[in-house]
Amino acid sequence: AQSVTQLGSHVSVSEGALVLLRCNYSSSVPPYLFWYVQYPNQGLQLLLKYTTGATLVKGINGFEAEFKKSETSFHLTKPSAHMSDAAEYFCAVSGPYGQNFVFGPGTRLSVLP
Amino acid sequence: KAGVTQTPRYLIKTRGQQVTLSCSPISGHRSVSWYQQTPGQGLQFLFEYFSETQRNKGNFPGRFSGRQFSNSRSEMNVSTLELGDSALYLCASSLDRGDSPYEQYFGPGTRLTVT
Repeated sequence: AQSVTQLGSHVSVSEGALVLLRCNYSSSVPPYLFWYVQYPNQGLQLLLKYTTGATLVKGINGFEAEFKKSETSFHLTKPSAHMSDAAEYFCAVSGPYGQNFVFGPGTRLSVLP
Repeated sequence: KAGVTQTPRYLIKTRGQQVTLSCSPISGHRSVSWYQQTPGQGLQFLFEYFSETQRNKGNFPGRFSGRQFSNSRSEMNVSTLELGDSALYLCASSLDRGDSPYEQYFGPGTRLTVT
């Protein structure tokens, strides 16, 4: 079975500052890992994914994440926050081919001017 | 290519009633999953359909049911509504669970309010 924890239900950063959203997972099989973003009153949009291969994954809107197997982590980063990044971010894990797709509780990102 | 569409977008129902929500996946996608999103419980998996068959089911009571049609469109039904069923119901489609990597594309959701 898979599970996901996200440290910090709410993170605030200043515009232009580094964004770091933490995700740790538990999986009994090699995981597929995802980050999704949800803007108010909208569905979820895929930011990036890790399946196999390169452990540093680049996504849309300047986000990237690094898969660290030894730390069972998949933290999301962005060098410089923009006001438009304010949203809720969800980390998710599944087994290969999508079995047991599980979302974390989400982290709400606020960007301060 | 059109995205995942969900109808209606907003719905208000009374306790005890039943409701049907609809989801049209991206053209060519054969798998449809449903999720319930609430502030307290977050995103919870309801069920997944593939080729008109329920392939996976979350931990929800039998009042929650779904189906998928031959054109991959899906409906979910909630009977005997309770106040706690108030939530955003999200539908997601994907090409095929056997198609790696498994990517889900989400619709905008249906906001259900039970009074």
